[in-house]
Amino acid sequence: GAVVSQHPSWVICKSGTSVKIECRSLDFQATTMFWYRQFPKQSLMLMATSNEGSKATYEQGVEKDKFLINHASLTLSTLTVTSAHPEDSSFYICSAETSDSFITDTQYFGPGTRLTVL
Amino acid sequence: AQSVAQPEDQVNVAEGNPLTVKCTYSVSGNPYLFWYVQYPNRGLQFLLKYITGDNLVKGSYGFEAEFNKSQTSFHLKKPSALVSDSALYFCAVRDLGYSTLTFGKGTMLLVSP
Repeated sequence: GAVVSQHPSWVICKSGTSVKIECRSLDFQATTMFWYRQFPKQSLMLMATSNEGSKATYEQGVEKDKFLINHASLTLSTLTVTSAHPEDSSFYICSAETSDSFITDTQYFGPGTRLTVL
Repeated sequence: AQSVAQPEDQVNVAEGNPLTVKCTYSVSGNPYLFWYVQYPNRGLQFLLKYITGDNLVKGSYGFEAEFNKSQTSFHLKKPSALVSDSALYFCAVRDLGYSTLTFGKGTMLLVSP
């Protein structure tokens, strides 16, 4: 149980284009989803927290107009990198948690999406 | 504020030997503590957590961790390491008053045959 998927697993795009990454909780309802960014050999940096049906809360220094987050349902959140540039190239990881008492308090992570902007 | 320190960038151990990956934390309230493992180009896999109760927590793949409140530590341990345990390990903390996790910088575990 508590499986989170991400799609695509990797994507290459041209500078100036937009890329959408999907995060799905497959076997539980995710009341909250988180988006992280990870640079090579570094820890995870939290970008934003999203709750179903409400606007995402962005961490300081994260451009909300560049990284659009939508949490339209209890099983799906999307991250759209708009007008991508090479410096946006990174490994993006989502996680999800639920208010389900059986598995609460724990974030379950997706497999990550490798974004390369040319 | 909450923070996590993993003092070792890398831990080397021979297969069959016990391993320890260190983690210390700082929170203002009661900590929720987690260990995750990351294999190359993969997301994080949940290993174990401490919320309350017994200070020794057992998790996946034979790993365990001991919560020590006086030393504010939550070290990850395994009695007998496997080559397949080689990966990047992250400790994370969540204060009861916070909704977000704070991760340590990670410790690379290398188990040699």
